[in-house]
Amino acid sequence: SQTIHQWPATLVQPVGSPLSLECTVEGTSNPNLYWYRQAAGRGLQLLFYSVGIGQISSEVPQNLSASRPQDRQFILSSKKLLLSDSGFYLCAWSKGANTEAFFGQGTRLTVV
Amino acid sequence: KQEVTQIPAALSVPEGENLVLNCSFTDSAIYNLQWFRQDPGKGLTSLLLIQSSQREQTSGRLNASLDKSSGRSTLYIAASQPGDSATYLCAVTRGDSWGKFQFGAGTQVVVTP
Repeated sequence: SQTIHQWPATLVQPVGSPLSLECTVEGTSNPNLYWYRQAAGRGLQLLFYSVGIGQISSEVPQNLSASRPQDRQFILSSKKLLLSDSGFYLCAWSKGANTEAFFGQGTRLTVV
Repeated sequence: KQEVTQIPAALSVPEGENLVLNCSFTDSAIYNLQWFRQDPGKGLTSLLLIQSSQREQTSGRLNASLDKSSGRSTLYIAASQPGDSATYLCAVTRGDSWGKFQFGAGTQVVVTP
């Protein structure tokens, strides 16, 4: 069966510090991968998606970037965090447009 | 631009009652619609996927319907239990091939014993 792992679960970082969140998927190959953010009191917003190694598309301009160094690994990064980057970050995978999507347990990021 | 709306934003019912959760979307050109459950501070758990060619899907006490022409989906949860307390989110994939979701804001459900 397929599983998706995200870490860390919780992170408190000072403004201006770097960020690296990691997501890995097991039990499948060549998944579509997604990063979403859920800000307090707001819905989920798609940040990045990837359909293959090294292929990243950004949905919104922001202080964050994403990379996919391996087939089942998706990384969310920032060089310098802003207060507005605080939120709940969720990684997800699917096999394509018409298939079920599965989400990780999320990372709660607080920028102080 | 696709907009997804979930009404009501919050709902409280006594145990045993049936739950009816609504989701509406403005653009009928969707690939599929998926219902999720989110417990506080947790990730999303997939409940049901309805593909655009389907009218409904069932899993145990859950039944979800889809009416693309009117831009609506309804999630029914029969005989609610306190363990059903959570936020329920619907999401539609956009009219392209990348499986990107547009989410509603969710309905927060409380089932009282």
